[in-house]
Amino acid sequence: AQKITQTQPGMFVQEKEAVTLDCTYDTSDPSYGLFWYKQPSSGEMIFLIYQGSYDQQNATEGRYSLNFQKARKSANLVISASQLGDSAMYFCAMRESGGSYIPTFGRGTSLIVHP
Amino acid sequence: EPEVTQTPSHQVTQMGQEVILRCVPISNHLYFYWYRQILGQKVEFLVSFYNNEISEKSEIFDDQFSVERPDGSNFTLKIRSTKLEDSAMYFCASSAHLDNQPQHFGDGTRLSIL
Repeated sequence: AQKITQTQPGMFVQEKEAVTLDCTYDTSDPSYGLFWYKQPSSGEMIFLIYQGSYDQQNATEGRYSLNFQKARKSANLVISASQLGDSAMYFCAMRESGGSYIPTFGRGTSLIVHP
Repeated sequence: EPEVTQTPSHQVTQMGQEVILRCVPISNHLYFYWYRQILGQKVEFLVSFYNNEISEKSEIFDDQFSVERPDGSNFTLKIRSTKLEDSAMYFCASSAHLDNQPQHFGDGTRLSIL
């Protein structure tokens, strides 16, 4: 079973609009962390935002925010005021604190921002 | 801002040859990782390294792979006898701690096996 599911292989958004990239996860571990990474066409992996399972508030980092719905096991990334430079692959990842600390990555969502 | 650096950015090697990918993690980080990403696919974990030894490895990380921290700064991934299917982007990452600290990735080494 997939631990991280990103159901949107591709998304399009108009510049300056907000966009939500979906991520659902599967774990029985009560303690875990959720991460989002951006991978531009140049290939590097850029850390964007982190949400801990015990965090009371949704994480925010500049134009990025994480819509964390624990009961639904979803951790959607919201990008506000999209910019052309936001066009990239976006990967959701989870790391469980019990047992292995190795994060599992989703298959990614390709975001294209139109001018 | 400190960053993870990887060299070379692109490596082209004949099948069967040995290749060494190099990484310099962020200086105060304690945990080091190698991942690979086959073109168009998701990022896959290979190995983690802490306190000068492998702490975890995936089933991808077979006897053809090895890692080393030869000095206080470098962290290397060696593939002894490369296969065509080893062609991928290889990412090094490091983190300060295991738990809620993000892993910071290098820019990757694109390995092409001919």
